[in-house]
Order: sequence, then structure tokens, then C-alpha cells
Amino acid sequence: EEQLLESGGGLVQPGGSLRLSCAASGFIFDTSGMSWVRQAPGMGLEWVSAISASGEHTYYTDSVKGLFTVSRDNPKNTMYLQMNSLRAEDTATYYCARNIVVGRSGIHRYYYMAVWGHGTTVTVSS
Amino acid sequence: IQLTQSPSSLSASVGDNVTITCRTSLNINRYLNWYQKKPGTPPKVLIFATSTLKSGVPSRFSGSGSGTDFTLTITDLQPEDFATYYCQQTSSSLVTFGQGSKVEIK
Repeated sequence: EEQLLESGGGLVQPGGSLRLSCAASGFIFDTSGMSWVRQAPGMGLEWVSAISASGEHTYYTDSVKGLFTVSRDNPKNTMYLQMNSLRAEDTATYYCARNIVVGRSGIHRYYYMAVWGHGTTVTVSS
Repeated sequence: IQLTQSPSSLSASVGDNVTITCRTSLNINRYLNWYQKKPGTPPKVLIFATSTLKSGVPSRFSGSGSGTDFTLTITDLQPEDFATYYCQQTSSSLVTFGQGSKVEIK
């Protein structure tokens, strides 16, 4: 069974840092692109970041660019999200997801998020 | 790419047919996905690439559209369908979700 398990969330002061982890099992990790998606309390889903299967290509939503860094360790079947300079608006449940490709155009991959973890909660507050 | 869903919320009864629309700010061809989200659980993909039903998802869910206008239809609404639904595009490297459409019990 394909599974994702997030960890690393918690309470952090504004300006602080956290590193989230996403441990994968049940599928060939190094052939899958991966994503981070968050949901702030009472709000909708927001895509945060994505990383290609090899880790060569990374993508970020504008609000976290330069503050968050996505990476992966394929031999450990784990993806990470390093979050620096955290702000109150980063408070959310963070989900990792496995991307399934449904089309290609050059280096771009069209995909959907097929498998999701149960999320880890990040609270930024003093 | 901005995604605008309508309605933002609706009330319906078991057995009703429900339609949710998603309009995109740019042509995204057919790369539009739909997710169902219930409180305390992760999102679940229902439909990908506009109209392909994910394995295991009931056939009462269907999707259609192209270009900039897309639709999710639920026929014969069941109690377990009361949830929030999100469209998502991956046509751009900067992925975006719609703001969500909450389906509530009338």
C-alpha cells in the first residue's frame, strides 16, 4: 500500500525555522515527483512547493519563495521542506503528496496528486 | 493561473444532482483535477485531466470541460458526499487550487 507520513510540525515563534519530513513507502519513490500543500485554519487548499523525481527541478508558490526549500533524499525515500523566517500566515496543516504524471510538454509534467499523507500541523505564534 | 469556483457553497439534499464550476484565467487545455476534502482528513482525488475518474471513485462523480471552463457533477448525492470540493490546475509549474465549494446538507 502506498503511504506518506509527514513529521516535524510544531509550535514555533515568528522568525523561526522548522524542517518537515515526508516518509514514503509502498511505491518507487525515485520515479515520482512530489508536492507540499497546506491548509490554514478555516481556509482552502494552497499549493506550496513541488520537486521533480530526481530533485533537479523545484517549484514554489510566490509567498514562500526564498524562505522555504524543498529537497529529497531518494535512498531514504524521504522529502523535506525546510521553512525559514516563519510568519503567522504560515500556520497551517502541511500535507505531502505523490504526483502522478498524466501528460508531458518538454520538461513540464502535467499531474495530479494521487496519494496524500495525513498532514503535520505548523503553528507560528509567540 | 487563477481558478474561480462557483458556487462557494450550496445546500442540497440526498438524491439531488449537484454541479460545481471552475473557471481558469488562462487556457489550461485539459489539465484540471478535482479533489474532495473532509475535515480532519487529507484531500482525495476524484477526477484528473478533466474527466478521468480515479479508480475506486463512485461513478456518480463526473467531470467535463476544456480550455477555461470546467464542471464537476455529482448525481444522486449521497450522505458521504457532503464535503468541500476543490479544482486544481497543473498546466503551469505554479500549481493553483480553486477557493473551494462546500456542499452542505439542506
